[in-house]
Amino acid sequence: AQSVTQPDIHITVSEGASLELRCNYSYGATPYLFWYVQSPGQGLQLLLKYFSGDTLVQGIKGFEAEFKRSQSSFNLRKPSVHWSDAAEYFCAAVNLNRDDKIIFGKGTRLHILP
Amino acid sequence: DADVTQTPRNRITKTGKRIMLECSQTKGHDRMYWYRQDPGLGLRLIYYSFDVKDINKGEISDGYSVSRQAQAKFSLSLESAIPNQTALYFCATSDLGGGETQYFGPGTRLLVL
Repeated sequence: AQSVTQPDIHITVSEGASLELRCNYSYGATPYLFWYVQSPGQGLQLLLKYFSGDTLVQGIKGFEAEFKRSQSSFNLRKPSVHWSDAAEYFCAAVNLNRDDKIIFGKGTRLHILP
Repeated sequence: DADVTQTPRNRITKTGKRIMLECSQTKGHDRMYWYRQDPGLGLRLIYYSFDVKDINKGEISDGYSVSRQAQAKFSLSLESAIPNQTALYFCATSDLGGGETQYFGPGTRLLVL
């Protein structure tokens, strides 16, 4: 069955430190991949997406993600986090070769230490 | 103005009551979705609609119904609310031509007493 896994439920980093959030997918073929962010009290906002081409994708707010086909991963990174990055992050995938609906991971909550 | 709006933003109701959550979008997208979010469970799909005449059940449709009144409107109803339907509900839209990027409303926080 198709699935998206975010192994870390919570991650805590210090402000200014680097960040990597993990995402693994299980699909028959490479799906379209997304990262969304949910700030407290708000809906989800798209950070970035990967459809094809360059495996390193740049997004908003200084985030980037790298697609690695061999590892079925699409990890989100940021070189230096800010206190405002504290939020919940969702990885998602959809197979556009069929009329499939998008599948979300269960989310990773990011905490920032001052 | 927001592209995807949800009303109400907050609602408290009692067990057994019928309630409706409404979603409107100005993005011109054909596809609309209803999700619920519970702590630790992420987003779970309740219902989705790929166009006005298409309604599909998601993974947790029991106890819910929907109506797609127009391309821009997609309502979620709880026919007889129960406490375990207390959650944060999100409406979203997408456009296949846009690679299925989803655009979310601000959410409705529902408390069933």
